[in-house]
Amino acid sequence: GESVGLHLPTLSVQEGDNSIINCAYSNSASDYFIWYKQESGKGPQFIIDIRSNMDKRQGQRVTVLLNKTVKHLSLQIAATQPGDSAVYFCADFAGGTSYGKLTFGQGTILTVHP
Amino acid sequence: NAGVMQNPRHLVRRRGQEARLRCSPMKGHSHVYWYRQLPEEGLKFMVYLQKENIIDESGMPKERFSAEFPKEGPSILRIQQVVRGDSAAYFCASSPGTGKYEQYFGPGTRLTVT
Repeated sequence: GESVGLHLPTLSVQEGDNSIINCAYSNSASDYFIWYKQESGKGPQFIIDIRSNMDKRQGQRVTVLLNKTVKHLSLQIAATQPGDSAVYFCADFAGGTSYGKLTFGQGTILTVHP
Repeated sequence: NAGVMQNPRHLVRRRGQEARLRCSPMKGHSHVYWYRQLPEEGLKFMVYLQKENIIDESGMPKERFSAEFPKEGPSILRIQQVVRGDSAAYFCASSPGTGKYEQYFGPGTRLTVT
């Protein structure tokens, strides 16, 4: 079945460090992945996405890595700032007839200490 | 550019009442999605709609819940005869449509059933 899960529920880092948030997925048919950031009391904010035909994609201070062999996804945040503190979710599409159904993982709480 | 808009932001209903949640997608977006989030959990897909059509409702409870996205006006998620277990944050997302799958979320409606 479909499932997207995270290895670590919490991550604490010092300001300026690099952060790595991990995600495992089980559906080999998943072909599109998104990372979201959710601050308290707000909706998820799109960070970056990646398709299954790519291994790596970079954005501003963020990089997403996809390892299809082991069904693993990671989000790297460079020079982490206190404003990066939030819950981070990975989500995937299984494709097929409907690209509407995002399956979310449990979430990782990132805390950045000044 | 206005983002996805949801109202009300907070809604309190007594058991047995009806709840109506509204969502206006981003300008130019024709696809709408509803998700539910329980405290300290990830988002769970409920339904995917295009104008006047339900594309995927596999996440909707069989009873009391319905959704629509009329030709004119916002998308509506309707919950009849609410129970305490319906208390949650309900998020709406929209996407541009064919070929572009990234979903952008609104701020959510926090439903409390007393």
